[in-house]
Amino acid sequence: GAGVSQSPSNKVTEKGKDVELRCDPISGHTALYWYRQRLGQGLEFLIYFQGNSAPDKSGLPSDRFSAERTGESVSTLTIQRTQQEDSAVYLCASSRQSGGRRETQYFGPGTRLLVL
Amino acid sequence: GENVEQHPSTLSVQEGDSAVIKCTYSDSASNYFPWYKQELGKGPQLIIDIRSNVGEKKDQRIAVTLNKTAKHFSLHITETQPEDSAVYFCAARPPTGTASKLTFGTGTRLQVTL
Repeated sequence: GAGVSQSPSNKVTEKGKDVELRCDPISGHTALYWYRQRLGQGLEFLIYFQGNSAPDKSGLPSDRFSAERTGESVSTLTIQRTQQEDSAVYLCASSRQSGGRRETQYFGPGTRLLVL
Repeated sequence: GENVEQHPSTLSVQEGDSAVIKCTYSDSASNYFPWYKQELGKGPQLIIDIRSNVGEKKDQRIAVTLNKTAKHFSLHITETQPEDSAVYFCAARPPTGTASKLTFGTGTRLQVTL
């Protein structure tokens, strides 16, 4: 079946502009996660959605970052007034549920963001 | 919060040799430890995971061991092949709060040479 998809695959923007990144999770997956991966580094948790519960935004680095998800479908990560330090790969993952035996996170290919 | 350290950052082995990657974690309550493989230009893929109620798990050439007392876990790849070349990440998940919020290590770049 189809995996997690993300768009765009690459995004180049100018400092100060807003960007929107999209994630389509695997159908039926109730949990969705966003991570940031700077060049040569590990994955940094940003935000987590589980069904209709309030999202866990504890990883968002500043108020310029926000994310939305409608129900159990598409999610968008928005970065306002982008800065050069926002340049990274933004990864989305989804899982059947949070916790338990069905919590394996499946990752999309990521969006490579470059802020000039 | 949880802190995961991973070593080495780079590892080069000859084809057919074994590779071992080690991780330590700080939160003794963590109970789920997955390993991900990330190939160039792709998202991470789960290759094996272990829960705190077992000490070792194997899947063909890959095995993971967990020492809860020492709070460390390791990935073992035997009979390495060129296609094993990738970046490997360990992760840990505490059971409280956001149940599946993984904390990742910084990654190990494994190169398998012919």
